[in-house]
Amino acid sequence: SAVISQKPSRDICQRGTSLTIQCQVDSQVTMMFWYRQQPGQSLTLIATANQGSEATYESGFVIDKFPISRPNLTFSTLTVSNMSPEDSSIYLCSAGTSPDNEQFFGPGTRLTVL
Amino acid sequence: QKEVEQNSGPLSVPEGAIASLNCTYSDRGSQSFFWYRQYSGKSPELIMFIYSNGDKEDGRFTAQLNKASQYVSLLIRDSQPSDSATYLCAVKNTDKLIFGTGTRLQVFP
Repeated sequence: SAVISQKPSRDICQRGTSLTIQCQVDSQVTMMFWYRQQPGQSLTLIATANQGSEATYESGFVIDKFPISRPNLTFSTLTVSNMSPEDSSIYLCSAGTSPDNEQFFGPGTRLTVL
Repeated sequence: QKEVEQNSGPLSVPEGAIASLNCTYSDRGSQSFFWYRQYSGKSPELIMFIYSNGDKEDGRFTAQLNKASQYVSLLIRDSQPSDSATYLCAVKNTDKLIFGTGTRLQVFP
């Protein structure tokens, strides 16, 4: 299984600012994803992070709000831009070795926007 | 209709009993099925995955898949208080995991 780390683990931010979350995997993986989990809710896929190209966003999520980078097979970042209190959530990085195989999750980043 | 449906619970079972968690999905093209356990304040932890119809056992856990009925379940034998958590069913079609809302399991001593 892949071991995934995220930074920061939590942050409290002011409205209108941006936060970049980093995700590092301990081995080369094919697939990397970003999810959001709002309080008491299940996981919602934000986007698939593609190495060396633009991320693939799910319905309701746009690049201007959630720019994503993936410069190599083991690292990705998610930026939450121009934050509002509605962006308060847990953001989770996930990775897998192939489209058919299991996915593992990082510990998450707990974001609070005031 | 939601893509992946689970009863939110809570499902309460006594210690030592079998807990049965159920999940239905809408997309017949779904290829693989996953069960995650999530403790409060923690990220999801993979328990099992299943691709083929039938049963798959791993220790105290058994996953069951019935593609004709679009139904997948997780049985936990000899339930322990430490099994108390939210169990998330996830379905994969192509390369994306779609999650259900989760079932909260409570195992009481």
